[in-house]
Amino acid sequence: AQTVTQSQPEMSVQEAETVTLSCTYDTSENNYYLFWYKQPPSRQMILVIRQEAYKQQNATENRFSVNFQKAAKSFSLKISDSQLGDTAMYFCALAPGGSQGNLIFGKGTKLSVKP
Amino acid sequence: EADIYQTPRYLVIGTGKKITLECSQTMGHDKMYWYQQDPGMELHLIHYSYGVNSTEKGDLSSESTVSRIRTEHFPLTLESARPSHTSQYLCASKPYRGDRLGDTQYFGPGTRLTVL
Repeated sequence: AQTVTQSQPEMSVQEAETVTLSCTYDTSENNYYLFWYKQPPSRQMILVIRQEAYKQQNATENRFSVNFQKAAKSFSLKISDSQLGDTAMYFCALAPGGSQGNLIFGKGTKLSVKP
Repeated sequence: EADIYQTPRYLVIGTGKKITLECSQTMGHDKMYWYQQDPGMELHLIHYSYGVNSTEKGDLSSESTVSRIRTEHFPLTLESARPSHTSQYLCASKPYRGDRLGDTQYFGPGTRLTVL
């Protein structure tokens, strides 16, 4: 079975600080993608960052970066210089090979950025 | 924001009513999805489509049905709504270019359904 686990239901961070959200996954596929999606309160879910399993280099997008540990099946998201607008639900998702791109989501982590 | 729209945004109805949740996208995407998001915010795939006249059931069993007569339109219908259908429903789309695992799914704003 292919699963995605987010062990932190809620987290909080002070504005301008750094926070790391955890995600572990399980798949028997060699080819897959991992994603972090963000769902702000009452707003549309958007893609934050993605990582291809074959790439060893960790993906970065401005203040967002990942720590991809393939052997450990771990995919954490680091948010640097946290801003109030980062307050949202964050979902880790897996697109395993052969799935035609259908995503398997974790249960989400609710992040609150405090002023 | 992505060009994917859902109507209505909020709906409160009585038990037994037939409802249709609308989803449209203007990006020309072939693949479309419906997710049910429970109060704990967990997402469950209930339906998806690879293109016109293609519909598949997702991981979570649902009493709803879908249709795909036009590329841009993917409505979801509940023939007889019940309180257990109370949830948020999210529509999404992505381009279909073979088994492109890395393509982004674009999400609509969601419909929050309450069945009394």
